[in-house]
Amino acid sequence: AQSVSQHNHHVILSEAASLELGCNYSYGGTVNLFWYVQYPGQHLQLLLKYFSGDPLVKGIKGFEAEFIKSKFSFNLRKPSVQWSDTAEYFCAAWNQAGTALIFGKGTTLSVSS
Amino acid sequence: NAGVTQTPKFRILKIGQSMTLQCAQDMNHNYMYWYRQDPGMGLKLIYYSVGAGITDKGEVPNGYNVSRSTTEDFPLRLELAAPSQTSVYFCASRFGQGVYEQYFGPGTRLTVT
Repeated sequence: AQSVSQHNHHVILSEAASLELGCNYSYGGTVNLFWYVQYPGQHLQLLLKYFSGDPLVKGIKGFEAEFIKSKFSFNLRKPSVQWSDTAEYFCAAWNQAGTALIFGKGTTLSVSS
Repeated sequence: NAGVTQTPKFRILKIGQSMTLQCAQDMNHNYMYWYRQDPGMGLKLIYYSVGAGITDKGEVPNGYNVSRSTTEDFPLRLELAAPSQTSVYFCASRFGQGVYEQYFGPGTRLTVT
Protein backbone atom coordinates (compact mmCIF):
# COMPACT_ATOMS: atom_id res chain seq x y z
CA ALA A 1 0.00 0.00 0.00
CA GLN A 2 1.14 3.53 -0.68
CA SER A 3 2.36 5.35 2.39
CA VAL A 4 4.13 8.46 3.59
CA SER A 5 6.47 8.19 6.56
CA GLN A 6 7.70 10.94 8.85
CA HIS A 7 10.61 9.90 11.00
CA ASN A 8 10.42 12.44 13.77
CA HIS A 9 7.41 12.40 16.04
CA HIS A 10 8.40 15.37 18.21
CA VAL A 11 11.26 17.79 17.65
CA ILE A 12 12.32 20.35 20.24
CA LEU A 13 14.58 23.22 19.19
CA SER A 14 15.77 26.54 20.47
CA GLU A 15 15.17 29.68 18.46
CA ALA A 16 17.73 30.21 15.68
CA ALA A 17 18.50 26.49 15.44
CA SER A 18 18.31 24.82 12.07
CA LEU A 19 15.49 22.43 11.26
CA GLU A 20 15.25 19.34 9.12
CA LEU A 21 12.18 17.09 9.18
CA GLY A 22 12.33 13.80 7.34
CA CYS A 23 9.69 12.48 4.95
CA ASN A 24 9.74 9.36 2.79
CA TYR A 25 7.13 8.03 0.40
CA SER A 26 6.68 4.42 -0.53
CA TYR A 27 6.11 4.28 -4.28
CA GLY A 28 7.97 5.08 -7.48
CA GLY A 29 6.87 6.78 -10.62
CA THR A 30 5.50 10.29 -10.76
CA VAL A 31 4.94 11.80 -7.35
CA ASN A 32 3.48 15.08 -6.21
CA LEU A 33 4.61 16.00 -2.71
CA PHE A 34 3.48 18.53 -0.14
CA TRP A 35 4.28 19.89 3.28
CA TYR A 36 1.42 21.29 5.33
CA VAL A 37 1.60 23.12 8.65
CA GLN A 38 -1.03 23.20 11.38
CA TYR A 39 -0.63 25.90 14.01
CA PRO A 40 -2.26 25.21 17.38
CA GLY A 41 -6.04 25.28 17.04
CA GLN A 42 -5.97 26.04 13.33
CA HIS A 43 -6.55 24.17 10.11
CA LEU A 44 -3.90 22.91 7.71
CA GLN A 45 -2.09 25.39 5.51
CA LEU A 46 0.14 24.59 2.56
CA LEU A 47 3.83 25.35 3.16
CA LEU A 48 5.19 24.16 -0.17
CA LYS A 49 4.66 21.65 -2.95
CA TYR A 50 6.66 19.76 -5.54
CA PHE A 51 5.21 18.69 -8.86
CA SER A 52 8.17 18.68 -11.23
CA GLY A 53 11.29 20.62 -12.18
CA ASP A 54 13.80 21.97 -9.69
CA PRO A 55 13.98 19.45 -6.84
CA LEU A 56 14.69 22.23 -4.35
CA VAL A 57 11.38 23.85 -3.58
CA LYS A 58 10.96 27.08 -1.66
CA GLY A 59 7.81 27.75 0.32
CA ILE A 60 6.38 30.34 2.63
CA LYS A 61 7.95 31.61 5.85
CA GLY A 62 11.50 30.64 4.84
CA PHE A 63 10.86 26.90 4.52
CA GLU A 64 12.28 24.78 1.74
CA ALA A 65 12.25 21.11 0.82
CA GLU A 66 14.39 18.92 -1.36
CA PHE A 67 13.02 16.10 -3.48
CA ILE A 68 15.54 13.27 -3.80
CA LYS A 69 14.06 10.68 -6.12
CA SER A 70 16.72 8.03 -5.46
CA LYS A 71 15.97 8.16 -1.74
CA PHE A 72 12.18 8.53 -2.07
CA SER A 73 12.55 11.53 0.23
CA PHE A 74 11.17 15.05 0.55
CA ASN A 75 12.74 16.57 3.66
CA LEU A 76 11.67 19.93 5.00
CA ARG A 77 14.30 22.45 6.10
CA LYS A 78 14.58 25.88 7.62
CA PRO A 79 17.95 27.48 8.44
CA SER A 80 16.80 29.34 11.55
CA VAL A 81 13.54 28.57 13.35
CA GLN A 82 11.45 31.05 15.29
CA TRP A 83 9.15 30.57 18.26
CA SER A 84 6.22 31.18 15.89
CA ASP A 85 7.17 28.02 13.94
CA THR A 86 5.83 25.91 16.81
CA ALA A 87 3.25 23.75 15.05
CA GLU A 88 2.56 20.32 13.65
CA TYR A 89 4.01 19.56 10.23
CA PHE A 90 2.59 17.03 7.81
CA CYS A 91 4.16 15.56 4.72
CA ALA A 92 1.71 14.36 2.08
CA ALA A 93 1.63 12.90 -1.41
CA TRP A 94 -1.07 12.30 -3.97
CA ASN A 95 -1.96 8.66 -4.29
CA GLN A 96 -1.00 7.05 -7.57
CA ALA A 97 -4.50 7.56 -8.97
CA GLY A 98 -4.14 11.27 -8.22
CA THR A 99 -7.48 11.32 -6.46
CA ALA A 100 -6.56 11.84 -2.81
CA LEU A 101 -3.74 12.92 -0.51
CA ILE A 102 -1.95 10.41 1.69
CA PHE A 103 -0.60 11.99 4.87
CA GLY A 104 2.25 11.10 7.16
CA LYS A 105 1.56 10.93 10.88
CA GLY A 106 2.94 14.39 11.47
CA THR A 107 5.83 15.91 13.40
CA THR A 108 5.25 18.23 16.31
CA LEU A 109 7.81 21.03 16.41
CA SER A 110 8.29 22.91 19.66
CA VAL A 111 10.53 25.98 19.54
CA SER A 112 11.63 27.59 22.79
CA SER A 113 12.53 31.26 22.91
CA ASN B 1 -14.54 33.73 -1.28
CA ALA B 2 -15.24 32.08 2.06
CA GLY B 3 -13.22 29.03 0.96
CA VAL B 4 -14.10 25.79 2.72
CA THR B 5 -16.53 26.17 5.61
CA GLN B 6 -17.56 23.59 8.19
CA THR B 7 -20.29 23.51 10.80
CA PRO B 8 -20.48 22.95 13.68
CA LYS B 9 -17.08 23.80 15.18
CA PHE B 10 -17.65 21.60 18.23
CA ARG B 11 -20.15 18.91 19.12
CA ILE B 12 -20.67 16.41 21.89
CA LEU B 13 -22.71 13.33 21.05
CA LYS B 14 -23.95 10.49 23.17
CA ILE B 15 -23.24 6.94 22.06
CA GLY B 16 -25.82 5.84 19.51
CA GLN B 17 -26.84 9.33 18.42
CA SER B 18 -26.57 10.47 14.82
CA MET B 19 -25.47 13.74 13.30
CA THR B 20 -24.41 15.38 10.07
CA LEU B 21 -21.24 17.42 9.71
CA GLN B 22 -21.71 20.10 7.11
CA CYS B 23 -19.09 21.16 4.57
CA ALA B 24 -19.41 23.73 1.82
CA GLN B 25 -17.03 25.39 -0.62
CA ASP B 26 -17.59 28.38 -2.88
CA MET B 27 -14.60 27.90 -5.19
CA ASN B 28 -16.38 25.70 -7.75
CA HIS B 29 -14.10 22.80 -6.85
CA ASN B 30 -14.92 19.40 -8.25
CA TYR B 31 -13.08 17.31 -5.67
CA MET B 32 -14.11 17.26 -2.02
CA TYR B 33 -12.79 15.21 0.87
CA TRP B 34 -13.45 14.25 4.47
CA TYR B 35 -10.56 13.42 6.77
CA ARG B 36 -10.34 12.60 10.43
CA GLN B 37 -7.36 13.59 12.53
CA ASP B 38 -6.39 11.68 15.63
CA PRO B 39 -3.37 12.53 17.83
CA GLY B 40 -0.17 11.01 16.47
CA MET B 41 -1.96 9.40 13.54
CA GLY B 42 -1.99 12.15 10.93
CA LEU B 43 -5.03 12.56 8.70
CA LYS B 44 -6.97 9.58 7.46
CA LEU B 45 -9.26 9.83 4.45
CA ILE B 46 -12.88 8.85 5.18
CA TYR B 47 -14.67 9.57 1.88
CA TYR B 48 -14.10 11.67 -1.18
CA SER B 49 -16.02 12.91 -4.18
CA VAL B 50 -14.81 13.83 -7.66
CA GLY B 51 -18.02 15.61 -8.59
CA ALA B 52 -21.72 15.92 -7.86
CA GLY B 53 -23.32 12.51 -7.61
CA ILE B 54 -20.00 10.64 -7.32
CA THR B 55 -18.53 9.49 -4.03
CA ASP B 56 -15.96 6.88 -3.06
CA LYS B 57 -14.59 5.33 0.10
CA GLY B 58 -11.27 6.30 1.56
CA GLU B 59 -9.15 4.49 4.11
CA VAL B 60 -11.56 4.60 7.09
CA PRO B 61 -15.19 4.76 5.83
CA ASN B 62 -16.87 2.48 8.37
CA GLY B 63 -19.53 4.22 10.44
CA TYR B 64 -19.87 7.14 8.03
CA ASN B 65 -21.90 8.05 4.98
CA VAL B 66 -21.68 10.90 2.50
CA SER B 67 -23.67 12.40 -0.32
CA ARG B 68 -22.82 14.97 -2.98
CA SER B 69 -25.98 16.36 -4.52
CA THR B 70 -24.40 19.71 -5.44
CA THR B 71 -20.89 20.87 -6.34
CA GLU B 72 -20.80 23.10 -3.26
CA ASP B 73 -21.85 20.77 -0.45
CA PHE B 74 -20.44 17.52 0.89
CA PRO B 75 -22.08 16.51 4.19
CA LEU B 76 -20.72 13.68 6.33
CA ARG B 77 -23.26 11.60 8.21
CA LEU B 78 -22.48 9.67 11.39
CA GLU B 79 -25.00 6.98 12.23
CA LEU B 80 -24.98 5.38 15.67
CA ALA B 81 -22.04 7.35 17.03
CA ALA B 82 -19.34 5.41 18.87
CA PRO B 83 -16.49 6.60 21.15
CA SER B 84 -14.02 5.56 18.40
CA GLN B 85 -15.44 8.38 16.29
CA THR B 86 -14.20 11.00 18.72
CA SER B 87 -11.87 13.00 16.51
CA VAL B 88 -11.32 16.23 14.64
CA TYR B 89 -12.91 16.16 11.20
CA PHE B 90 -11.57 18.19 8.32
CA CYS B 91 -13.24 18.82 5.01
CA ALA B 92 -11.11 19.77 2.01
CA SER B 93 -11.55 20.58 -1.65
CA ARG B 94 -9.56 21.13 -4.82
CA PHE B 95 -10.41 22.06 -8.37
CA GLY B 96 -9.27 18.86 -10.07
CA GLN B 97 -6.41 16.46 -10.64
CA GLY B 98 -2.95 17.68 -11.49
CA VAL B 99 -1.24 20.72 -10.04
CA TYR B 100 -4.17 22.02 -8.04
CA GLU B 101 -3.77 22.78 -4.34
CA GLN B 102 -6.04 21.19 -1.76
CA TYR B 103 -7.74 23.63 0.62
CA PHE B 104 -8.87 22.68 4.10
CA GLY B 105 -11.74 23.82 6.26
CA PRO B 106 -11.34 24.86 9.92
CA GLY B 107 -12.41 21.49 11.31
CA THR B 108 -15.12 20.09 13.56
CA ARG B 109 -14.12 18.69 16.94
CA LEU B 110 -16.45 15.83 17.82
CA THR B 111 -16.61 14.03 21.14
CA VAL B 112 -18.70 10.89 21.61
CA THR B 113 -19.36 9.92 25.22
